This record gives sequence, structure tokens and C-alpha cells, in this order.
Amino acid sequence: GAGVSQSPSNKVTEKGKDVELRCDPISGHTALYWYRQRLGQGLEFLIYFQGNSAPDKSGLPSDRFSAERTGESVSTLTIQRTQQEDSAVYLCASSFSLLNTEAFFGQGTRLTVV
Amino acid sequence: GENVEQHPSTLSVQEGDSAVIKCTYSDSASNYFPWYKQELGKRPQLIIDIRSNVGEKKDQRIAVTLNKTAKHFSLHITETQPEDSAVYFCAASMVQGAQKLVFGQGTRLTINP
Repeated sequence: GAGVSQSPSNKVTEKGKDVELRCDPISGHTALYWYRQRLGQGLEFLIYFQGNSAPDKSGLPSDRFSAERTGESVSTLTIQRTQQEDSAVYLCASSFSLLNTEAFFGQGTRLTVV
Repeated sequence: GENVEQHPSTLSVQEGDSAVIKCTYSDSASNYFPWYKQELGKRPQLIIDIRSNVGEKKDQRIAVTLNKTAKHFSLHITETQPEDSAVYFCAASMVQGAQKLVFGQGTRLTINP
């Protein structure tokens, strides 16, 4: 596709349910990031994938959060047993990484836990 | 790891005046410093970036300066216009080894007509 695509764009879930968020990066981009942005706040780093290297999971806030990436394509962020404080916009970004490090963001998934 | 601090958190300027946003970073190995603009309800988008082999870069009304010794870099917007109102994020990274982008906390810039 032409840009980073995220789905769903909006998700409302009940507290305690699991959710899965999807990110389709730009083709050929080896680096992929997940960020969380609470209302009016900054970009909170969650996890970073770079090629075949082990992902940098240092930003995941708890063991309820996990993410996977298949090769250099789709990534999914899973939040288990959602809590109200998980409500936020989850942004995915990808970059070519080696020569051009510009990160292109998706439109985000707005998660609301009720 | 890298830590990026950004100031101020909010900034209000009169239309036509200049705006300056400053960031500091902790890892002297960082060599790539982009700035992103996020308009209300939209995704962040790159507006300008600088690499550590240059001290200044300009693009029309926007400029970025880098002081490697002091480990700080700044965004300068001249002749501000209402459409410049947005949240601006600085970031730091290291190209070699493909280190992750670390963002500052953002600056909410408001241009008053």
C-alpha cells in the first residue's frame, strides 16, 4: 500500500476482554514501531522490531501487552484483560531504517475500554 | 538508553512572530534528529530532520539547529501562521545499528491571530 495502515481505526471493548490491533507497514520497511498516545499526551514507546533482530520490548507497560511481527510485514499488538487505563490511541510506524530513517505513521487505532 | 527532553510543553505566539522549541538528548552516539508535527486528530508527520554531520538545516520557514557538544537541538519556525498550530515532537536515533526513535514529550504550539 501507499502508507502505513492500521486496523481497526476504532475499537470499543469491555474491561477484561482481549484485543488485537493490526499494523501493515510500508512494503520494504524493515523497522516497525508501536507507540501509545493517551489523550493530549506524548508518544509512549511500546515495542520496536528491526528486521530479524530480537524486538526491543522495553516499553511494554505490563505482561498483558505483547506484539508479534511476521518477517518484515504485518504486526499485531495484543492487549490481554484490558483495563480502562489502556484507553488510548495506538500508533504504528515503519521506516526503511538503513539509509532513510524517516518514520511514517499509521492513522492509529483508538481503543476505548468501558 | 537514549532519553530526550523537550521544552516548553506549551507555547503561544502571535501570528508572524517566531517560535523556538528545544530538545536535549542523552546518548552522544545519536546522530539522527527528526521533528514531527501532529495536527489535532491526525497522525504525526515528519517536517524536517538533521543528521549530526551538519549544524543547521533550513526549509522555507522552518529550521533546525544542532549542537553536538551540548547535546541539544532546536526547531525554529519564523513568520508563524495559524496553520502552524499543532503539537511538535522531537526525536533522536542512531542510524548505524538501526536504533529506535526516542521521542520527546511534545510541545503544543498555538498561534494567536
